[in-house]
Amino acid sequence: QLVLTQSPSASASLGASVKLTCTLSSRHSNYAIAWHQQPPEKGPRYLMKFNNDGSHTKGDGIPDRFSGSSSGAERYLTISNVQSEDEADYYCQTWGNGPVVFGGGTKLTVL
Amino acid sequence: EVQLLESGGGLVQPGGSLRLSCEASGVTFSNYAMSWVRQAPGKGLEWVAGISGSGYNTYSADSVKGRFTLSRDNSKNTVYLQMNSLRPEDTAVYYCAKFSSPHYPGAFDMWGQGTRVTVSS
Repeated sequence: QLVLTQSPSASASLGASVKLTCTLSSRHSNYAIAWHQQPPEKGPRYLMKFNNDGSHTKGDGIPDRFSGSSSGAERYLTISNVQSEDEADYYCQTWGNGPVVFGGGTKLTVL
Repeated sequence: EVQLLESGGGLVQPGGSLRLSCEASGVTFSNYAMSWVRQAPGKGLEWVAGISGSGYNTYSADSVKGRFTLSRDNSKNTVYLQMNSLRPEDTAVYYCAKFSSPHYPGAFDMWGQGTRVTVSS
């Protein structure tokens, strides 16, 4: 079964960097994913699609501070120079031959 | 600028029906598969249903199969979610989402602002 696992919470100080992790189920370690940001009380916003060859496609207007990387079954979203507006829930999303799958989301708190 | 505008949410009694609409602008609508994703209060995102760009192929989550029907009218740049036999657990904000290609599935690259559905007596 295709599953994405995310830590429920993370925190980062203003101006620091933070790395959020999304782990694919072991049989699906080469799958592409997408990252989405959901600020409090708002709808989701597409950040980027991260392919299994390491390439990625960012959404319009997404700052360079947001970047993606991977290692094995883990997919990472790194936010550099964290700003107050980055405080949000972050979801990873993937897909196979069946339903679209979301991770449980990581709530990022900016200190 | 691509925009997705949902409508049709509201309060409905258990067992009732609602039809959600999502109108797209700024995009060649038939070139993209579309989907609905919901978020129950205080919960994460849950995929509900998807439809190919042509409209010939539809897919739905097990939790809504047989109750929800997804369709689209490419001449109106609109996708519809017909929700029947609604249950309290269907209470959520429903988001329209655009796939990045004509084919299901894939990455979502655009979201609407959401429409709230409340199922309660």
